[in-house]
Amino acid sequence: NAGVTQTPKFQVLKTGQSMTLQCAQDMNHEYMSWYRQDPGMGLRLIHYSVGAGITDQGEVPNGYNVSRSTTEDFPLRLLSAAPSQTSVYFCASSYRLAGELNEQYFGPGTRLTVT
Amino acid sequence: KQEVTQIPAALSVPEGENLVLNCSFTDSAIYNLQWFRQDPGKGLTSLLLIQSSQREQTSGRLNASLDKSSGRSTLYIAASQPGDSATYLCAVKLPNRLAFGKGNQVVVIP
Repeated sequence: NAGVTQTPKFQVLKTGQSMTLQCAQDMNHEYMSWYRQDPGMGLRLIHYSVGAGITDQGEVPNGYNVSRSTTEDFPLRLLSAAPSQTSVYFCASSYRLAGELNEQYFGPGTRLTVT
Repeated sequence: KQEVTQIPAALSVPEGENLVLNCSFTDSAIYNLQWFRQDPGKGLTSLLLIQSSQREQTSGRLNASLDKSSGRSTLYIAASQPGDSATYLCAVKLPNRLAFGKGNQVVVIP
């Protein structure tokens, strides 16, 4: 199993540009999520999905969109990049047991810089 | 709101010493707690998952305990090695997400 994969590893954008961060998992996990990690702020949840066709907002959703058309993929779209979105982005997945999240697996991250 | 705190933010220990990392949380009604390791510039690697019904979990030199009533978890790393140098994060499971502490940055001095 490849686990959770993310592309690209690094990206530089100009303010106002849009892009999509890719995330895929091959563990047949129902649950997938996106976090951003910033110095002094820890990891914060952006969006999550509990299954194909179902998404919801996390703590810091503004400026980001997600969709979940398949179990495997959960892309994160930046609509109009801003310097405040400079961060490291992590995708995570988990199976659910009795409706509750179990052990979460994280991807290697995407380092995004917005100039 | 669940708050997760890890103190100290950074610590250095000589090789061979046992490491004790603390994680505290404000709401004892948790489902599980997970400890992660993060190396500089890398992703999070899961170390141990403790269900709320468990008191501890062990994996090799690692042992994690959970005391829900006092809102604390402790990660013990026996006989530390330079390769244990990393940031250790604890995360408490909330509905549909994890609440993370800001981590303990550990340096093991050879």
